[in-house]
Amino acid sequence: SYVLTQPPSVSVAPGKTARITCGGNNIGIKSVHWYQQKPGQAPVLVIYYDSDRPSGIPERFSGSNSGNTATLTISRVEAGDEADYYCQVWDSSSGRSYVFGAGTKVTVL
Amino acid sequence: QVQLQESGPGLVKPSQTLSLTCTVSGGSISSGSDYWNWIRQPAGKGLEWIGHIFTSGSTKYNPSLKSRVTISVDTSKNQFSLNLRSVTAADTAVYYCARDPRQNHFDYWGQGTLVTVSS
Repeated sequence: SYVLTQPPSVSVAPGKTARITCGGNNIGIKSVHWYQQKPGQAPVLVIYYDSDRPSGIPERFSGSNSGNTATLTISRVEAGDEADYYCQVWDSSSGRSYVFGAGTKVTVL
Repeated sequence: QVQLQESGPGLVKPSQTLSLTCTVSGGSISSGSDYWNWIRQPAGKGLEWIGHIFTSGSTKYNPSLKSRVTISVDTSKNQFSLNLRSVTAADTAVYYCARDPRQNHFDYWGQGTLVTVSS
């Protein structure tokens, strides 16, 4: 089955840039989606199809995908960006269909 | 704006069946080409897709849960439901319902409901 690998944690100072990676075998040929989840809340879609932003998501959130790594980039990080972030792909070769990474905890210092 | 709301018992005994319902508002569950999903998250852990249903009634399940899961839809009530049989403590989790607009991601989520399996 397809596996997505994320770092458990990323720390970033306010105003700086956070980069969260999502590794997978040849992930560049798949579409990657990203969710933000704050404590006690449901996940929120922040990036879909590698780099598209849903309405209402700040331009500070961007995404890229190539080779074996997809990346969610948060520019000019704010305290309110502190959350868990999950990447997700749809894998037609896996019966699981929707595959999530284990999540990355972003801490704003 | 589509909204989803989970409902059901918060406590289920081991070996019994966990039953949850997701009520969709702000749009008809049968009007589009959407997949209606169940996803769960044990405390402190990641997200696990359970399965989904299309409004035609066709379903797809996570192979790891397939033998115990049934998802059904009631278009007259704008609801879809989850039944998970023979539960154990490992099934204790927050259960979310979510919509996939047939684009292989989830754009709308319910707030989630905690289900604890305990005697």
